[in-house]
Amino acid sequence: NAGVTQTPKFRVLKTGQSMTLLCAQDMNHEYMYWYRQDPGMGLRLIHYSVGEGTTAKGEVPDGYNVSRLKKQNFLLGLESAAPSQTSVYFCASSRAARTYEQYFGPGTRLTVT
Amino acid sequence: GEDVEQSLFLSVREGDSSVINCTYTDSSSTYLYWYKQEPGAGLQLLTYIFSNMDMKQDQRLTVLLNKKDKHLSLRIADTQTGDSAIYFCAEGGETDKLIFGTGTRLQVFP
Repeated sequence: NAGVTQTPKFRVLKTGQSMTLLCAQDMNHEYMYWYRQDPGMGLRLIHYSVGEGTTAKGEVPDGYNVSRLKKQNFLLGLESAAPSQTSVYFCASSRAARTYEQYFGPGTRLTVT
Repeated sequence: GEDVEQSLFLSVREGDSSVINCTYTDSSSTYLYWYKQEPGAGLQLLTYIFSNMDMKQDQRLTVLLNKKDKHLSLRIADTQTGDSAIYFCAEGGETDKLIFGTGTRLQVFP
């Protein structure tokens, strides 16, 4: 099993450009999450999904959109990138909420100039 | 709202014990977690504790929970250079989300 994979690993965007980050998991997990990690701020939840076809807002959803058309994939979109979105993005999945371990991908380092 | 706080840095000598502390605010938390992040990688679960427990030991790791003070700690015995990483405390309560702390960067020197 590959676990949780993320593509791409690195990306540099110019302000105003758009892109989509892809997260894939092969563990048949129901729950998937997108976080961003910034120095001194820990992990902040952007959006999450409790199952195929569902999405919900997290702590910092503005400027991002997500889709979960297939159970194994969770896409994070930036429609018009801003320098404030420079960060490391992590995807995670879990079998269920609350009591279950979240499995993390290796991260995508995004720089917006 | 819910908040989880940790100190940002800890430096220890190899072979000593490390103690990483965390405070949280959500009294309805049912599970508390410690995750480890090695350089350039995602987070991995180290251990967790149920809110009705005071202590959990797993090899070199000891987790202590003071529910009254909403204080969680992770003790690593005989700290090794391979333990150098960022350690995140997280709480899980009645929602579908975990709330993560800011992370504590542990540096182990010889």
